[in-house]
Parts: sequence; C-alpha cells; structure tokens
Amino acid sequence: SQELEQSPQSLIVQEGKNLTINCTSSKTLYGLYWYKQKYGEGLIFLMMLQKGGEEKSHEKITAKLDEKKQQSSLHITASQPSHAGIYLCGVIPGGSNYKLTFGKGTLLTVNP
Amino acid sequence: KAGVTQTPRYLIKTRGQQVTLSCSPISGHRSVSWYQQTPGQGLQFLFEYFSETQRNKGNFPGRFSGRQFSNSRSEMNVSTLELGDSALYLCASSPGDRRSSYEQYFGPGTRLTVT
Repeated sequence: SQELEQSPQSLIVQEGKNLTINCTSSKTLYGLYWYKQKYGEGLIFLMMLQKGGEEKSHEKITAKLDEKKQQSSLHITASQPSHAGIYLCGVIPGGSNYKLTFGKGTLLTVNP
Repeated sequence: KAGVTQTPRYLIKTRGQQVTLSCSPISGHRSVSWYQQTPGQGLQFLFEYFSETQRNKGNFPGRFSGRQFSNSRSEMNVSTLELGDSALYLCASSPGDRRSSYEQYFGPGTRLTVT
C-alpha cells in the first residue's frame, strides 16, 4: 500500500517567517492534494497537483510536485497566525479510484 | 453553494451500543467518502459511495457500514461500539465522476466518544 511521510511532524515559527513542509510518497504519485485542518474540524482543500513540475499558489501558500522524487513541498511565505493548523497531504494510490490516502500531518504553530 | 454538513457534531455513546452518523454532500456531488481520524492512526479511509453503491472500501471491520440515498445523502453506522471507535468521523463529497477533476470537500466532522 502507498504511504505518505510528512516532515516535519510539527513546526513552530515566528510570524513573518517563511517555512516549508514536505510530503514524500513510497510509490509513484498520480495526483497529490494539500489540505489544512483546524484542530478537531474538517479539512479545507488548498490545492491539487497533477503533473510533475506543477506549481500552484493560493494566497501566500505555494505547492510544488516533484514526480521523480515522489515528493511535494508546501511553502508558506511571510507566515501569519491564520496559517496555523495541521497541514495534510493526500494521494490517490495508483490502481484504486477515489480512495484518498493521507499523511499523518504537520502541525504548524505561528507565534505573533 | 452550501458546504458539506454532518450531523450530529458531537456524540457520546456507551460500549456495545450502535450509532448512525449522517452526511449531506454539496448539491450536485454524487460521491461521498467517510474517514476516521484518531491521534494515533491519523486519517483513515472507511468507504466511498457513488450513486448509492459502495465503490471503495478501506480496511475496517464489518461493524462499520454505510449507505447512500438517491439524493446522495449518506449515513454510516457503527455497531457494537468499542472504546477504540472514539474518533472524529469526517465525510467528504466530490463530483466523483472524473478523476481529473477529483476534489474532495470535507464536512466539519462528528466527534464520537465511546465510554
């Protein structure tokens, strides 16, 4: 089965700093999703990456997909307290439809 | 468009009881997926329904079941509750008919506590 490893598991940054979260897959990536979750709440869809080299941005959050490394990175520029939460990456494993597999998440704390 | 709604938001049950959770997807979406989230295991896929049929299933025991109605609303049922079933249960809706446009929109979840 396909597994996703996120790093770091948790991150504390000062407001205004940049940060990067990585998501590495154990198998070929056919599509990767990034979500954000406030503790105990539902997931908010951030973006979906479908092709190697693809890069997308949503406000101050940018995500890239490196197909060769089977990895995606999520970069936040000039972090704000509103960016705090749990960031989760998810993939659809090849050969099974609509069965999203998630990483364990990265807990981001932004100190004002 | 209204988002995904889940009811109830919080639930406390006793071991051995059964529980039914409800999910109303975004209007026009035909796929509903259910996930269990716990601190230890993270977010795990339970099952997915599309047009009233179970299309995918995760690795959960038969105590976990679900169904989908003709209006795409879905319910999931857990019978003979165990303490380990305490979790946040999330449902997600999707158009479900084209992988290239596949996105899942999540509801706020139902927090189930089993005592």
